Amino acid sequence: GESVGLHLPTLSVQEGDNSIINCAYSNSASDYFIWYKQESGKGPQFIIDIRSNMDKRQGQRVTVLLNKTVKHLSLQIAATQPGDSAVYFCAESIYGNNRLAFGKGNQVVVIP
Amino acid sequence: DAGITQSPRHKVTETGTPVTLRCHQTENHRYMYWYRQDPGHGLRLIHYSYGVKDTDKGEVSDGYSVSRSKTEDFLLTLESATSSQTSVYFCAISESTGGRRTDTQYFGPGTRLTVL
Repeated sequence: GESVGLHLPTLSVQEGDNSIINCAYSNSASDYFIWYKQESGKGPQFIIDIRSNMDKRQGQRVTVLLNKTVKHLSLQIAATQPGDSAVYFCAESIYGNNRLAFGKGNQVVVIP
Repeated sequence: DAGITQSPRHKVTETGTPVTLRCHQTENHRYMYWYRQDPGHGLRLIHYSYGVKDTDKGEVSDGYSVSRSKTEDFLLTLESATSSQTSVYFCAISESTGGRRTDTQYFGPGTRLTVL
């Protein structure tokens, strides 16, 4: 099917290694951030979120770090598995009224 | 997919024909959204709804209209489809009660639309 990963930055990771995916956000007033995972031919899947009153949040095998000083968000995936191969993108709330702005994404390829 | 279905999943149509895409949710969430996704772009908001009969435009609303007559259904209509509307369309829902707080959006499986 059509790939939404065309022309995206690509991170190649050995299976079992940790992955770090970065996102620079645009608005210092944004107070809510989400990471999504999108596999080919599927809809975006929620991974983890964080609000601006926190700088770190952990989930199962994933950690999100927020650095408000430099407007940077990162997603760390521990012990990367082949099923983690996908496009990952961040979203920020910049408009209010429950709207999000989405980044273009990063392609993660896990090498067995 | 968080209780969200989209229909049809695939459609091929001709330029100038009307097309309606349907999003149905079983979560009773207040907010519903229509996005389009194209290579080289992030998800772009077309229209959204914050309640029954309450809708507003997103960043790429030209050529699209929406309707929400029931909490569970949000329809996207292309009155006269053009080739530039060939895309993958995603519906999303959010439970937010509104105001300044933004909450998580959950996405449906998508509809692939091709306009010839």
